[in-house]
Amino acid sequence: NAGVTQTPKFQVLKTGQSMTLQCAQDMNHNSMYWYRQDPGMGLRLIYYSASEGTTDKGEVPNGYNVSRLNKREFSLRLESAAPSQTSVYFCASPPPEGQGTAFYGYTFGSGTRLTVV
Amino acid sequence: QQQVKQSPQSLIVQKGGIPIINCAYENTAFDYFPWYQQFPGKGPALLIAIRPDVSEKKEGRFTISFNKSAKQFSLHIMDSQPGDSATYFCAASMFQGGKLIFGQGTELSVKP
Repeated sequence: NAGVTQTPKFQVLKTGQSMTLQCAQDMNHNSMYWYRQDPGMGLRLIYYSASEGTTDKGEVPNGYNVSRLNKREFSLRLESAAPSQTSVYFCASPPPEGQGTAFYGYTFGSGTRLTVV
Repeated sequence: QQQVKQSPQSLIVQKGGIPIINCAYENTAFDYFPWYQQFPGKGPALLIAIRPDVSEKKEGRFTISFNKSAKQFSLHIMDSQPGDSATYFCAASMFQGGKLIFGQGTELSVKP
């Protein structure tokens, strides 16, 4: 099935450990996004990539780095995890503007639930 | 100016009721206003969306009302069902595929 695949689904880290969250999309979209979801705060944009080879900071980039490895893959790295990074992380990808006349929304992955202790 | 403010944070209604979720924005450059629905353990999924050139859009039991002058928009769910119990997010962006700025989310519970 076409969509966005995230790995892992769950992860527990100790403070100071590092890890990379993986995301891949098979829809041939140009843009990919990383959001974090916290109770009462909605989804906040961490980083995004408008096209292969480009990345930009979102609203809450501190403590994170990203790599757009190719058109399909966009990874999020925590170099030194902190308890404040405990969250649910979503990767998402929208279709290009103007695709068809209907509204096409972002396709979200199923999320990575990260706990930092 | 990039914020989208959503209320209420949680909402409980009886089956058949009409829950209403409200959102307000500041940035007049926003041109695309979607609503997303999220079930527990899943990623959000597009429910319905509107552009500011119309004041209302209906899709099935879901309706968006849009007030451009007040910079507000709302989601109405007609004849709500227990299966509608989910978290709802409003959002805004400059164009359809652009960066989405999300509201804080509303956890809706529809009681049988």
